[in-house]
Parts: sequence; C-alpha cells; structure tokens
Amino acid sequence: DTEVTQTPKHLVMGMTNKKSLKCEQHMGHRAMYWYKQKAKKPPELMFVYSYEKLSINESVPSRFSPECPNSSLLNLHLHALQPEDSALYLCASSQEGYSTEAFFGQGTRLTVV
Amino acid sequence: DQQVKQNSPSLSVQEGRISILNCDYTNSMFDYFLWYKKYPAEGPTFLISISSIKDKNEDGRFTVFLNKSAKHLSLHIVPSQPGDSAVYFCAAYDYGGSQGNLIFGKGTKLSVKP
Repeated sequence: DTEVTQTPKHLVMGMTNKKSLKCEQHMGHRAMYWYKQKAKKPPELMFVYSYEKLSINESVPSRFSPECPNSSLLNLHLHALQPEDSALYLCASSQEGYSTEAFFGQGTRLTVV
Repeated sequence: DQQVKQNSPSLSVQEGRISILNCDYTNSMFDYFLWYKKYPAEGPTFLISISSIKDKNEDGRFTVFLNKSAKHLSLHIVPSQPGDSAVYFCAAYDYGGSQGNLIFGKGTKLSVKP
C-alpha cells in the first residue's frame, strides 16, 4: 500500500462552520505534512508532524488546527475560515528525515462560502 | 525570494521527441531534489529524485541531471508521450530549515501533442 488517502475529496463550508479534513497512510511513515495549493501556484507547506509531534508550523492562522492522533492519521480542523482559504489541501507523508521523497494524497478541494 | 525557479511556465513537445524541463535554485545548502508530476484536481505524484552527490539519475524514460556549480537541474523525458501532459514541479529540501520543508518551483505545464 503506497497510498495517502484524504477525505473528503470535496468540501464546501460556510464561514461559521467547523469541519475537519482527514488523511491516512499505512506505509509506516513517521513524518506527515499538510500543504495548501492555490490555483496555478505551487504547494505551500503548512504543518509538519514528526513522530506524531508538531515540528513545523509555517505561521498558519489559528483557524487551521492540525492534529495527529496516531502515526497513521493526520487531521486538519477548520473553524471560521475565510473565502480566501478556498484551495486544494494536500496531505503528504515520508519515511522520516528530509532525504526521502514525500508521497502526496489526492487532496481535498475546499470552498469557503 | 524564490529559492526554486522554473522559468518556463509551459512547454509544448511533439510525441516521440525529448522533453526537457529546467529548474534553477539559489540555496547552495539544498542537497536533495525531486520532480513531481501533477494532473488537474489530483495531488502531486513523485517522479524521480537526485541527491547532490550524483549528477545523473535515470528511471525508464525519465532522467534528471544535476549541475551543482550552476545550481541547475533538468528533467529529460524520452520519448515523450501524450500521457506525460501535466504540470511538473521541481522541488528541493531545505537543508537549512527543519525536516520536511519541501520548496517547490512554480511548475512547468508540459503538453505533448500526438
């Protein structure tokens, strides 16, 4: 199994809603990531979890709250988002360390209305 | 300041010919480089990587060349196929930063015409 699975694939939410994005991998990877990608732009790193601990937060607003319940799961909790937060949210994982390739999920297309 | 640059937003190639996608970087501390391929509405798919201790890595139709002195890498696809049409991102690991910080270029959209 070399897949990173993200759910849901599409999400439309209002600015007062609370929702969560989910990511799962069963490759035994110990590092997991959240990226945000706007149209025609490269992915931008948001958070990195290493051994289930948050190791990088790239100055992301607090309306995005990551959670790593165990080594296979990564969540991104969303609350009070703005329309400009609409984007493709990508989850990725890698074995560990920086010198291994990251595998990406298919992404969640988020629209904030 | 863009640390990974893909100066060609698009490239069009005839089927069967070679596609060459270029990438330049500014940070001499980068020591691991990757190419990702992305279809619309999908996540990036890892294609090929190269460590700075090498100058070439080959995998089937895909070869990546690294010129450290010029801070330049390129992806060669030979022969190009219509299914290769996608956006290709060059990425580098930020050695000076923390683990996992992949720095992506802006991408090059490759169109392979039958």
